Amino acid sequence: DTGVSQNPRHKITKRGQNVTFRCDPISEHNRLYWYRQTLGQGPEFLTYFQNEAQLEKSRLLSDRFSAERPKGSFSTLEIQRTEQGDSAMYLCASSLQGVNQPQHFGDGTRLSIL
Amino acid sequence: GNSVTQMEGPVTLSEEAFLTINCTYTATGYPSLFWYVQYPGEGLQLLLKATKADDKGSNKGFEATYRKETTSFHLEKGSVQVSDSAVYFCALSSGGYNKLIFGAGTRLAVHP
Repeated sequence: DTGVSQNPRHKITKRGQNVTFRCDPISEHNRLYWYRQTLGQGPEFLTYFQNEAQLEKSRLLSDRFSAERPKGSFSTLEIQRTEQGDSAMYLCASSLQGVNQPQHFGDGTRLSIL
Repeated sequence: GNSVTQMEGPVTLSEEAFLTINCTYTATGYPSLFWYVQYPGEGLQLLLKATKADDKGSNKGFEATYRKETTSFHLEKGSVQVSDSAVYFCALSSGGYNKLIFGAGTRLAVHP
């Protein structure tokens, strides 16, 4: 399967701990997006990479959040000092360059803060 | 700012019934419009898209027409199946980075 892969699928952690998620996009896709989805809501945009450059960040992405995409391949999303409100599904998507290219989503990482 | 509004669910239908899920949008410029579907326990999958006014997207018996005059992109299917039970998300993208703005989603439950 050559789709978008996210790890781990589930993460349970105590409040105040740091967590890191990984996303492996479809290999030829140079665009990578992170979204957050809370229960009963649609996904909300967090950040966007074109190759290794982070070109846009949402105001939702507080200082505790950081994302990287070294070498323009996989990406990581780290949350420091987790809070209850960080509990959500974190989705990664990738696409080809160009207007109207569809985004392909991974199955997401579900984060639960105890 | 840009936004998407979907009809609230859940929508409960019997098999072979006609489906409409309403979606309206607010956007500057000329967005592209999408319907994504999320089956239980799975990730989002692109169902169909339309990139300009009057375009009709279609896939797996589902259709939606980009109506600029009413800023709508309603999803329709003539005869639903139990396997269509899922959450459906309407979305738009605009701007150079094509980030997606989603509606809240509409849960569809189809009973035999």
